[in-house]
Parts: sequence; structure tokens; C-alpha cells
Amino acid sequence: NAGVTQTPKFRVLKTGQSMTLLCAQDMNHEYMYWYRQDPGMGLRLIHYSVGEGTTAKGEVPDGYNVSRLKKQNFLLGLESAAPSQTSVYFCASSYSWRGGYQETQYFGPGTRLLVL
Amino acid sequence: SQELEQSPQSLIVQEGKNLTINCTSSKTLYGLYWYKQKYGEGLIFLMMLQKGGEEKSHEKITAKLDEKKQQSSLHITASQPSHAGIYLCGADIFGTGTASKLTFGTGTRLQVTL
Repeated sequence: NAGVTQTPKFRVLKTGQSMTLLCAQDMNHEYMYWYRQDPGMGLRLIHYSVGEGTTAKGEVPDGYNVSRLKKQNFLLGLESAAPSQTSVYFCASSYSWRGGYQETQYFGPGTRLLVL
Repeated sequence: SQELEQSPQSLIVQEGKNLTINCTSSKTLYGLYWYKQKYGEGLIFLMMLQKGGEEKSHEKITAKLDEKKQQSSLHITASQPSHAGIYLCGADIFGTGTASKLTFGTGTRLQVTL
């Protein structure tokens, strides 16, 4: 049981380049999330998904796109990277309503992205 | 403005000392989660509190929820080097009744010196 995994762990991009971050979970969770973590800002939600084939915008969605073609995978895309997107990106997953607060979000190890 | 404020932002304590981290909300706390993050790793779930006055402990870490103050505290007794890391609080401030929409604090960086 690997939990939540993220690929890649670290990446350097030049301004204007594109890339896709992959998140995979093996816990059969319905919900999946993409966050970015910046110094002094805490974790901010970029996009989330409540099920296969669905996505929704979070707090800071501009410059990112997502897709959830399979229940276990959630992809985050940067079409044209900008230095402001330098950050640590975390993926998380959770059950939906089942269990209420007893069901927490489970996080991946993060992807460090540097945009030059 | 940050809806969840953590204090202090950073903390350096000597091994064996006690410490407290606070998480204060500008809105009602319906469910409160504490996580720990180590460099290069994701967030590890520590504890969840949902009722005012609730208190939970795990090994040397105790978390409390003060509903009136809209605040949670995380207390570490007799700190050890293994306690070092970043502690984050995450909360449901929208009343969803689940962990599906959490707002996070900015984190408290803890260093434990020998």
C-alpha cells in the first residue's frame, strides 16, 4: 500500500515551458487535491476533484489545469510556466462524506518546482 | 488575511523542554487537524479534534480545542530531536462536516537542539 505518490520529486523549468505533475493513490479515495506551499502562505488549494472525470477550481487555479481520467490518478499541468509558479506542490486524497471528520486527507511527498 | 494563524512561526527549544504551538481561527472551527511535515516529505496526520474542549494525546504530543477562543493548541512534552519539523493546522471553517475542504495555517517550524 503506497498511499499517495507524486512524480517527479524535483524539476527545473525555464519560463514558458510546460510540464505535468502526476499524482497517484491506491486507497480508492473519491476526492483528490492539488496544493501549493509557499513560505509564509501555508498550503493553498489549486484544484480538486470529487470523482473520476470531475474537476473544480480551488483558491489559486490560474495558470494550472488538471485532469482526472482515472479514479486513482490526478494530473496537474502547467502550460506555460512562470517564475511565480516556483513552489512545492502537494497532492492529497481523501474519502468523501463517509466517516465525517474521522477521514483525514492523505498527502504525497511533494514536488519541488523551480521556474527560471 | 490569513484565516488560520499559527504562532509562533518558528521555535527553537532545547531537548527535554516543553513547548506549545497555537492555531487561531478568525471563523468557527468545525474540525481541526494537526499535521507534521519533515523536509522533503509530505504531511503526516497527527490528530483530529472536532468538539469544543476535546483533548487528545499521542505519545508526548497533546492537542486541545478551545471552541470559545476558536483556537487549538499543540503541546509537546519533553521534546526530542525527532519532534523537529514543521507543524501545520488544517481546519474545516465552512461546516462541511468532512475533511474535504480544509483551510491551512502557515505552519510552525520547530527545531530541537541538543
